[in-house]
Amino acid sequence: DIQMTQSPSSLSASVGDRVTFTCRASQSISSWLAWYQQKPGKAPKLLIYKASSLESGVPSRFSGRGSGTEFTLTISSLQPDDFATYYCQQYNSFPYSFGQGTKLEIK
Amino acid sequence: QVQLVQSGAEVKKPGASVKVSCKASGYTFTNYDINWVRQATGQGLEWMGWMNPNSGNTGYAQKFQGRISITRNTSMITAYMELSSLRSEDTAVYYCARRPGAGTLGARYFDYWGQGTLVIVSS
Repeated sequence: DIQMTQSPSSLSASVGDRVTFTCRASQSISSWLAWYQQKPGKAPKLLIYKASSLESGVPSRFSGRGSGTEFTLTISSLQPDDFATYYCQQYNSFPYSFGQGTKLEIK
Repeated sequence: QVQLVQSGAEVKKPGASVKVSCKASGYTFTNYDINWVRQATGQGLEWMGWMNPNSGNTGYAQKFQGRISITRNTSMITAYMELSSLRSEDTAVYYCARRPGAGTLGARYFDYWGQGTLVIVSS
């Protein structure tokens, strides 16, 4: 099974900051990686698929990069609505797996 | 618009079974696989299995093999996830999620999610 590891586990930042999260896979997953945003009590929301493709309706301040085993999600200028937990997911092979999440908090 | 609406919260005793429903609307139900993902309180996301609503074909995570069954009723455009032999560790929010593809076609991430169903397992 492929293990997904996210870092950091939590991050404090301010509105307007640029932040980057990292997700590493235990083996190559090509570009078969998605990023989700989850707010308390809500279902995850798809942000990025195929490592760098922006889902329709998602603000352009979100961007994804990477391939193989290392991936990043960047928010170019944090907005108040962005404070949430972010998960990566590999869909290269079964069983699909998620990282443990990065919680983005307001500084 | 695409919507997945799940059934309400459940409280079950250890050893019992639970069946959660997921009713689809806003798209052709049989054209997109449905997956199930769960999340224990304060924890991360855990993928459980998938189903092709057209064929009824399924696949399950090894962890749940023998305890999980994902089915559908195409006339009611509803998918179901049944988990048996419940234990306290199964207490979680269970989500259905649509995959923008089916079978060997299309991508395998999840573009639409249900609102979640809380299942509590307690004696």
